[in-house]
Amino acid sequence: DTGVSQDPRHKITKRGQNVTFRCDPISEHNRLYWYRQTLGQGPEFLTYFQNEAQLEKSRLLSDRFSAERPKGSFSTLEIQRTEQGDSAMYLCASGVSLASYNEQFFGPGTRLTVL
Amino acid sequence: GENVEQHPSTLSVQEGDSAVIKCTYSDSASNYFPWYKQELGKRPQLIIDIRSNVGEKKDQRIAVTLNKTAKHFSLHITETQPEDSAVYFCAARASGGYNKLIFGAGTRLAVHP
Repeated sequence: DTGVSQDPRHKITKRGQNVTFRCDPISEHNRLYWYRQTLGQGPEFLTYFQNEAQLEKSRLLSDRFSAERPKGSFSTLEIQRTEQGDSAMYLCASGVSLASYNEQFFGPGTRLTVL
Repeated sequence: GENVEQHPSTLSVQEGDSAVIKCTYSDSASNYFPWYKQELGKRPQLIIDIRSNVGEKKDQRIAVTLNKTAKHFSLHITETQPEDSAVYFCAARASGGYNKLIFGAGTRLAVHP
């Protein structure tokens, strides 16, 4: 499968624990996005990387959230001191930065449940 | 702030009928409008998109129309089939250069045999 992959697919954790998710984009894609999707809603933008630089963060991304893309390839999203309100599907998407090419391709997501 | 509204939230049609989903956006600088299909438990899949220099785009049974003046765009599915049943999301590219997408809340389409 040459699409976007995410790991783990499911994560159950207790409130207060830290969790980390990984996203591997399509290999030639230099743009990487994280979105969060709650039940019955569309994805909401969290943060954006171009290569290894984090260029935009949503106000939804509190201080407990941190994302990295150290070598401009895979990315990690860490949530510290998880809260029940963090329960959601975390989606990663990738794309290329050509002026006329805007498509974003999504991974299967990591479903987080905070007990 | 940037916002995309999508209607209806649920849509039920008989197999073979047409389905239309409508979205409005608030950012007049938006210039790219994709539609995603999400089946239960699966990733959102891009099915069609349109750029602001085009008023209509068609791909087999699906088409998208864009009215920039009114800031709305629509998805049209003709000759619906049971496998079209899914949640459909519209989105608009936010202005500012980083391509983030602002999504609507989704439309759950049910196609009955």
